Amino acid sequence: AQSVTQLDSQVPVFEEAPVELRCNYSSSVSVYLFWYVQYPNQGLQLLLKYLSGSTLVESINGFEAEFNKSQTSFHLRKPSVHISDTAEYFCAVSNAGGTSYGKLTFGQGTILTVHP
Amino acid sequence: NAGVTQTPKFQVLKTGQSMTLQCAQDMNHNSMYWYRQDPGMGLRLIYYSASEGTTDKGEVPNGYNVSRLNKREFSLRLESAAPSQTSVYFCASSVQKETQYFGPGTRLLVL
Repeated sequence: AQSVTQLDSQVPVFEEAPVELRCNYSSSVSVYLFWYVQYPNQGLQLLLKYLSGSTLVESINGFEAEFNKSQTSFHLRKPSVHISDTAEYFCAVSNAGGTSYGKLTFGQGTILTVHP
Repeated sequence: NAGVTQTPKFQVLKTGQSMTLQCAQDMNHNSMYWYRQDPGMGLRLIYYSASEGTTDKGEVPNGYNVSRLNKREFSLRLESAAPSQTSVYFCASSVQKETQYFGPGTRLLVL
């Protein structure tokens, strides 16, 4: 069985400040890792993903996350946030092998609120 | 391309009523999923369909049934709604283990 723990339920931050949203996972097999973002009253959108290769992955809007296998973490960072980054962020994991057909296990979510 | 569409957007039911949530995708994806989202609990998988003609239980299947009508459509049925099924329901699709694409959600209130 897999599990995902997002260590902060809410993160308030001022505009242009850096932010880190923490995610730890537990799994007995190799994993794929994802960060999804949900804006108010909308569905989830993929922000970035780690499947293989470089452990540092980036999104088009300045977020990055680093896969740390030894610490079983996949923290999300942005050096300078904008008001428009206010949203709920979900970390998720799926089996990299076997026949799990992409079933995702989600964390509880972190609400990022950017203040002017 | 519309991506993943869900109907209805909102629904209010009385305890014991039944309803079907509809989901369709136009991306030719093999796999489809139904999740429910509850505050502080993230998203939990209800049922999934790895490919047309197959369905399987997820983490919280009790009280629900699904039908993979064809490659495009995957419906979720509540036979006898209960207040505990008040939630936001999301449908998603993917090419096997790759990125899942989510619909806009259905907000369900069971009184």
